[in-house]
Amino acid sequence: AQKVTQAQTEISVVEKEDVTLDCVYETRDTTYYLFWYKQPPSGELVFLIRRNSFDEQNEISGRYSWNFQKSTSSFNFTITASQVVDSAVYFCALGFLDTGNQFYFGTGTSLTVIP
Amino acid sequence: GAVVSQHPSRVICKSGTSVKIECRSLDFQATTMFWYRQFPKKSLMLMATSNEGSKATYEQGVEKDKFLINHASLTLSTLTVTSAHPEDSSFYICSAGGQGASYSNQPQHFGDGTRLSIL
Repeated sequence: AQKVTQAQTEISVVEKEDVTLDCVYETRDTTYYLFWYKQPPSGELVFLIRRNSFDEQNEISGRYSWNFQKSTSSFNFTITASQVVDSAVYFCALGFLDTGNQFYFGTGTSLTVIP
Repeated sequence: GAVVSQHPSRVICKSGTSVKIECRSLDFQATTMFWYRQFPKKSLMLMATSNEGSKATYEQGVEKDKFLINHASLTLSTLTVTSAHPEDSSFYICSAGGQGASYSNQPQHFGDGTRLSIL
């Protein structure tokens, strides 16, 4: 079965603090993609990153970084020096190579950055 | 720019009316489109998967006659909420997967969503 778990429902941090959003996934497939999306209050899904199952290199993009560990089936997302504009709901998702396959979304983590 | 256009972005209508939501892929051919529903502060729930030229596959618990999906071309899928009632009020998001210049980075592209409010 395919499943994505985001155990943190809501997180509040003070501006400039670092915050890590956890994501744990389950799949028996050996080839898959992992994604993070940001959903601001306006509702649209903003694509942040895609990682394929064969690439465990961590990635950094500005204040964002991702830690992919297949050994623990985790794909955690860290925001460094958080800003108020980072306040949103963040979804982790599991997808597959075949475009005919759906995404499996986690339940999301609502992040509030307090000024 | 957006590669999937979803329209309308917001609709408010009276109970009993039918509402059509369009999802268009702008620069690629979408062989498969997905329709999701999202309740406030909840995750995206897959409603159905549609392949161009064939009937949609609905997830368990989703009423086929209530949520009509048509995927008549490789660039357009529509979701019609028939005889809408207040409990159908929700945020609906489509996504499209297929070939094209944008495919290499994301196997699916999401529309911006439609906020449906039934009075």
